[in-house]
Amino acid sequence: NAGVTQTPKFRVLKTGQSMTLLCAQDMNHEYMYWYRQDPGMGLRLIHYSVGEGTTAKGEVPDGYNVSRLKKQNFLLGLESAAPSQTSVYFCASSEPYQPQHFGDGTRLSIL
Amino acid sequence: AQTVTQSQPEMSVQEAETVTLSCTYDTSESDYYLFWYKQPPSRQMILVIRQEAYKQQNATENRFSVNFQKAAKSFSLKISDSQLGDAAMYFCAYKSNFGNEKLTFGTGTRLTIIP
Repeated sequence: NAGVTQTPKFRVLKTGQSMTLLCAQDMNHEYMYWYRQDPGMGLRLIHYSVGEGTTAKGEVPDGYNVSRLKKQNFLLGLESAAPSQTSVYFCASSEPYQPQHFGDGTRLSIL
Repeated sequence: AQTVTQSQPEMSVQEAETVTLSCTYDTSESDYYLFWYKQPPSRQMILVIRQEAYKQQNATENRFSVNFQKAAKSFSLKISDSQLGDAAMYFCAYKSNFGNEKLTFGTGTRLTIIP
């Protein structure tokens, strides 16, 4: 029972490169979320989805795009990585009115 | 917009003793959830306990309990009989019952257990 799986777990990019973070959940949850965690700032919501084919902006969406083409997957894209996007990224999923289940995080460093 | 404040960046407690972590929040809503999440060095986010705002009774999960003061907008976490495995970052989080279920997190409290 995998729960929420994030790929990759660690990545180093150069400024201006692009990449996609993948989140997969096997719990058939309707809602999925992407957060970033920076030192001293807690987790902040980047984008979220309330169902297949839907996405919406969170608190800090600039520089990121997302897609939810399949219910079980939620992709987070960085089109042109910047050093300010160095962070730990967490994906989560949930059913309405239920607690969120988190993945183990992806540590992303941008040089 | 809702905000969550954890005013204690770090706390420490002797093993087997009791410690209380503080959390305050600001909202104009009356129906919401509050959560405490634990993040050990492994980086996992683990749900510790949750409280529904319309329930007056404080939630309890084994050694973990909360003191929920709705009028004061306070939501503290008490850990009894502290164990070495309780060492972690603890995050308080708020979720509205209106809309998209997104969580608003505090900045966290790092808890150290002294053997």
